[in-house]
Amino acid sequence: QQQVKQSPQSLIVQKGGISIINCAYENTAFDYFPWYQQFPGKGPALLIAIRPDVSEKKEGRFTISFNKSAKQFSLHIMDSQPGDSATYFCAASSTSGTYKYIFGTGTRLKVLA
Amino acid sequence: DSGVTQTPKHLITATGQRVTLRCSPRSGDLSVYWYQQSLDQGLQFLIQYYNGEERAKGNILERFSAQQFPDLHSELNLSSLELGDSALYFCASSVAEPQETQYFGPGTRLLVL
Repeated sequence: QQQVKQSPQSLIVQKGGISIINCAYENTAFDYFPWYQQFPGKGPALLIAIRPDVSEKKEGRFTISFNKSAKQFSLHIMDSQPGDSATYFCAASSTSGTYKYIFGTGTRLKVLA
Repeated sequence: DSGVTQTPKHLITATGQRVTLRCSPRSGDLSVYWYQQSLDQGLQFLIQYYNGEERAKGNILERFSAQQFPDLHSELNLSSLELGDSALYFCASSVAEPQETQYFGPGTRLLVL
């Protein structure tokens, strides 16, 4: 019940294309869903996050879509660029009660020039 | 730069040895989290401290221990090291708990030979 399942494991997209990464969770207590971006040799950095009271959040080329009933959320990267090549982690957090901050297993994105 | 510092950046040691990893959180952050990232693996939560007190434990081995000092810096002690302990160890910090956004340090790469 604590797992966050992330797919695909790796993704190759042409420059200008749309990158889509999906995550699914089980614990309905999760109420905060961030996405982190990690470049090789660096620590993860917060990219964008969403709460379950909205179905979509957009920041520049990055959009999170959230489906509360299906317990799924996804990251869409529009107009993907070679500089977006990185590993992306979704996470789910419960901001009340005992600590829960569960990361997905990561998606390695490569954007071809 | 996240504002979280970790030392050392790289560490090479032998099996059976003990090492200490150090983390300084962002100014004002009271919570510190430790994660292990093995090759091609996701982030595994190890332990969380809040203002000097242990708050949550994840998949931390008994050979590992941590503490947070009055100045809020934290140390992760790894003992009786095994080859499988080779990994990236990240520290993250957040303002308080429960808190959504975690800011990650650059990590310590540990290689056990």
